[in-house]
Amino acid sequence: DAKTTQPPSMDCAEGRAANLPCNHSTISGNEYVYWYRQIHSQGPQYIIHGLKNNETNEMASLIITEDRKSSTLILPHATLRDTAVYYCIVRVNLSNTGKLIFGQGTTLQVKP
Amino acid sequence: DSGVTQTPKHLITATGQRVTLRCSPRSGDLSVYWYQQSLDQGLQFLIQYYNGEERAKGNILERFSAQQFPDLHSELNLSSLELGDSALYFCASSVELAGGQETQYFGPGTRLLVL
Repeated sequence: DAKTTQPPSMDCAEGRAANLPCNHSTISGNEYVYWYRQIHSQGPQYIIHGLKNNETNEMASLIITEDRKSSTLILPHATLRDTAVYYCIVRVNLSNTGKLIFGQGTTLQVKP
Repeated sequence: DSGVTQTPKHLITATGQRVTLRCSPRSGDLSVYWYQQSLDQGLQFLIQYYNGEERAKGNILERFSAQQFPDLHSELNLSSLELGDSALYFCASSVELAGGQETQYFGPGTRLLVL
């Protein structure tokens, strides 16, 4: 699975959009980009995933560049409850195992 | 609430002891994963079971073992415990969808403290 690079930390003002970047320059054609978050030692929570098209769900939007070498997770209106560590993971969906390889992630601090 | 349950929530034990962590997956999920999260190693994949069979192994120590039962619940057994085994242990479950897409849902974890 391709490696990902994320900034270690970011701040965001409450009510503003939080844009979390992720670089995955070695991604291959059959690898998906997944985002999970972990709120203070709770179990990681699935947010969104995508292959090459932009995706949106009730939690967030995922923007993947055309060359697929980077992506951005967007939380449109961040709240204090969005303070968490956000993990960008690249994974082959069609492998025989769905194991997730977590990096260090980005610690997002949403401030009032 | 992810629908994945783990027991116990907290466990305190001594070095050299053996403990069993239990995980009940979401209804209908056939895959169970175990992850360990320690302060210095981050979240690490340990092992995966699919419908009762071991499917993948990660950085799981030989002192650790797991199994998945016919009712699909899983247990992680940790033996000859050492101080360094103190960590959060998460279980996740998933169902495979068409095209190989899969979403893992994590339980609340078991916090193990070895004294």
